Amino acid sequence: EDQVTQSPEALRLQEGESSSLNCSYTVSGLRGLFWYRQDPGKGPEFLFTLYSAGEEKEKERLKATLTKKESFLHITAPKPEDSATYLCAVRSSGSSNTGKLIFGQGTTLQVKP
Amino acid sequence: DGGITQSPKYLFRKEGQNVTLSCEQNLNHDAMYWYRQDPGQGLRLIYYSQIVNDFQKGDIAEGYSVSREKKESFPLTVTSAQKNPTAFYLCASQLKQGRSNQPQHFGDGTRLSIL
Repeated sequence: EDQVTQSPEALRLQEGESSSLNCSYTVSGLRGLFWYRQDPGKGPEFLFTLYSAGEEKEKERLKATLTKKESFLHITAPKPEDSATYLCAVRSSGSSNTGKLIFGQGTTLQVKP
Repeated sequence: DGGITQSPKYLFRKEGQNVTLSCEQNLNHDAMYWYRQDPGQGLRLIYYSQIVNDFQKGDIAEGYSVSREKKESFPLTVTSAQKNPTAFYLCASQLKQGRSNQPQHFGDGTRLSIL
């Protein structure tokens, strides 16, 4: 069964304190791993897509990396405006025709000034 | 601006009542999806549609119904058969369903509560 697990559930950082969020997955053939940012009361906002082990994507203070079993979202020198819930989702070969995504529970990040 | 519009933002359901959540997109996307989000859980797929007049059940379709009469619109009805409807409902769309490299894009959700 395809499964996605994110850790930690919650993370508190001081402004400028870099850290990483983890997304572990087990799927029957990875067809894509997606990172989203979700603010309270809003829908998820797309950040990155990763396809193959070793791939990296960057956007401002965020950098996503991918291995065969997990993905990391590295946050460098975070600011309070980076506070949000970060969601990881995967698409497997079994669901590539339907487009179905399997989501993790999310990591809620709080950055204090 | 192109995007996905969900309405209303907040909705209250009485006992035995059916309610309908609206989802409209102007992105010219073919595929549309409905998810349910509960605290501490990942998003769960309710229904999805690849093309007009066609839709498929997701993982938790019981107590829900949908229609896809227009490409732009994919309304979700929460029926009285859904005994635990309180949740945050998210609508998403994707350009082409069969393209595994394409992300889904989301609206800003409808929060449904029981009166």
